[in-house]
Amino acid sequence: GENVEQHPSTLSVQEGDSAVIKCTYSDSASNYFPWYKQELGKGPQLIIDIRSNVGEKKDQRIAVTLNKTAKHFSLHITETQPEDSAVYFCAASTGGGADGLTFGKGTHLIIQP
Amino acid sequence: EPEVTQTPSHQVTQMGQEVILRCVPISNHLYFYWYRQILGQKVEFLVSFYNNEISEKSEIFDDQFSVERPDGSNFTLKIRSTKLEDSAMYFCASSGGGTGRKTQYFGPGTRLLVL
Repeated sequence: GENVEQHPSTLSVQEGDSAVIKCTYSDSASNYFPWYKQELGKGPQLIIDIRSNVGEKKDQRIAVTLNKTAKHFSLHITETQPEDSAVYFCAASTGGGADGLTFGKGTHLIIQP
Repeated sequence: EPEVTQTPSHQVTQMGQEVILRCVPISNHLYFYWYRQILGQKVEFLVSFYNNEISEKSEIFDDQFSVERPDGSNFTLKIRSTKLEDSAMYFCASSGGGTGRKTQYFGPGTRLLVL
């Protein structure tokens, strides 16, 4: 089955700097890659997703890039703010709507004031 | 904005007891999922449900688990005989049809503690 590796496990950046979180996946059939933000005691909240027919997607300060050949994808957050502090999870899935997501282990992002 | 809701938010039970976790997916969604997250670990897929039947399940989803859509709005996860290792946060998610079918929206979760 699919295996998703995520790095780093913890990332501390100064407010205003950029943060990059990287994930790799094993199953070349995976074609959907969402990113979720989880705040303490809450459920994962979708922040951005990308499909395999696209190499990059941007939404304001957040961008995701996908390299299908290398089987890796990355989350980029620019101009980080204190409210960006949370755990971020990448995930991957194959096929249709009924497929479950395979998650990475998460990155605890800490924004230092 | 529509959202997935879950009840209860917390559940404490004795080992061996049955528990039912409830979810109300987003109203026009067609696909429903359960995931669990053991404290400090990643989110793990349990089962997906579509057209009133299980579509996919993971190795975690063994015979002690079952899912049901008893009416047009609720989606439930039953754990028949709870074990200590079932203690976790359980998340329900739903996704729509067509091009939106892959985008899964998660509820706030039910924290289950088995004593």
